[in-house]
Amino acid sequence: AQTVTQSQPEMSVQEAETVTLSCTYDTSESDYYLFWYKQPPSRQMILVIRQEAYKQQNATENRFSVNFQKAAKSFSLKISDSQLGDAAMYFCAYRVSNDYKLSFGAGTTVTVRA
Amino acid sequence: KAGVTQTPRYLIKTRGQQVTLSCSPISGHRSVSWYQQTPGQGLQFLFEYFSETQRNKGNFPGRFSGRQFSNSRSEMNVSTLELGDSALYLCASSLGGQSYEQYFGPGTRLTVT
Repeated sequence: AQTVTQSQPEMSVQEAETVTLSCTYDTSESDYYLFWYKQPPSRQMILVIRQEAYKQQNATENRFSVNFQKAAKSFSLKISDSQLGDAAMYFCAYRVSNDYKLSFGAGTTVTVRA
Repeated sequence: KAGVTQTPRYLIKTRGQQVTLSCSPISGHRSVSWYQQTPGQGLQFLFEYFSETQRNKGNFPGRFSGRQFSNSRSEMNVSTLELGDSALYLCASSLGGQSYEQYFGPGTRLTVT
């Protein structure tokens, strides 16, 4: 069974600063995808960034970037120049390439201080 | 392009009743997945449909069922509701291929009393 672990229940960051969220996963598969989703108070899940396991290059989407360490099974998210609108719960998720279900971590609540 | 829509947004039911939730995917998306979100268990996968066929099912009792129509809209049904079924039910749609990401709807908040 695949498990996703987010060890930080809460993180706080000053506006304009950088915060890094941790995620580790356990799998015996070699072909899979990793995602970060954001869930603001509205509860709408929003895809932030995705990473294909076969790609060595770390994905980047504007202020969001990941550090993907396949051997260590680690997938951290870095939010740069944090903005008040970044305040939300962030979920790390995993999916095997030939499967269609997402396995989620427990989430990390990010608070942005003005 | 319109996003994933879910109806109703809020629902209150009594224990023992049944409920049907609806999900309309993004136009062109043929895969619909359902997830249950609770404070205690987090986000858990219920099932996934593609072209009216269930391709995958999570570890939920048979009281939870679903279906997909030819227009890709999906419904999930929960029979004999229990207090523990109170949750946010999220629907996600995808183009359906192996590499495609899922886009979520706003969810249906179900409260069982």
